[in-house]
Amino acid sequence: EDKVVQSPLSLVVHEGDTVTLNCSYEVTNFRSLLWYKQEKKAPTFLFMLTSSGIEKKSGRLSSILDKKELSSILNITATQTGDSAIYLCAVLQGAQKLVFGQGTRLTINP
Amino acid sequence: NAGVTQTPKFQVLKTGQSMTLQCAQDMNHEYMSWYRQDPGMGLRLIHYSVGAGITDQGEVPNGYNVSRSTTEDFPLRLLSAAPSQTSVYFCASSEGQGFRTDTQYFGPGTRLTVL
Repeated sequence: EDKVVQSPLSLVVHEGDTVTLNCSYEVTNFRSLLWYKQEKKAPTFLFMLTSSGIEKKSGRLSSILDKKELSSILNITATQTGDSAIYLCAVLQGAQKLVFGQGTRLTINP
Repeated sequence: NAGVTQTPKFQVLKTGQSMTLQCAQDMNHEYMSWYRQDPGMGLRLIHYSVGAGITDQGEVPNGYNVSRSTTEDFPLRLLSAAPSQTSVYFCASSEGQGFRTDTQYFGPGTRLTVL
C-alpha cells in the first residue's frame, strides 16, 4: 500500500529557532515529492523535488530529497510567527495522483 | 485569472440527500482532482481526471461520482450523503504531465457537514 509518513505530527518552537520537518514515503511509480503550506484554507505550493541531493531554497525555507532513503526534509531557519501552519508532504505518482502525508502542525511562539 | 474556484463554501446536508460540489478552473489545465481532508489524515484523493471525457478513481472513491465534460469544470456528486462524508473537500488542477508542470493549484475548499 502506498503511504507517506510525516514526523513529527506536531511541533512547538520559539520565534528564531530552526526547525526540520521529515517526510518518508513508500509509493509505486514515484515521479516527484511536493511540499505544501496550509494555513486557514487551501494548501499553497512550496517546493517540488524530483532529483536526489539537489537542495531547493526559497528565502528561509529549504528542502532536499533523498531517493535512496525514500525521504525528504523541509528546513525553516529563523522561524517567524507567520510560519505557523500545517506543512504537508505529498508524493506524485504516475498520472497526477498525489498521495499526502498526515501533515506536521508547526506552531511558532513569540 | 480566477484560478481554481469552488462552490459552495459551506454546505449542510441530511443523511440520504444528494448534492453536487462545483469546481472550475480558467487556466486551461488538463489535470483536475478532488480530495477530502479529515483531521489527522491529510488529504486523500477521491477522483481525478487527465482531460475532458477521462476520469479515474483515487484512494477513496466510494459514494462519489465525477464527470468531465469540459476542460474547465469537474463537478463532484455525492449520491446519497452519509455522516462519514463530513469533511473539507478540495479541488485541484495542474497544467499537465512533465516535471515543470506538475504543480497542483488548489481551490479554497468546501466544508461539508452531513447530519
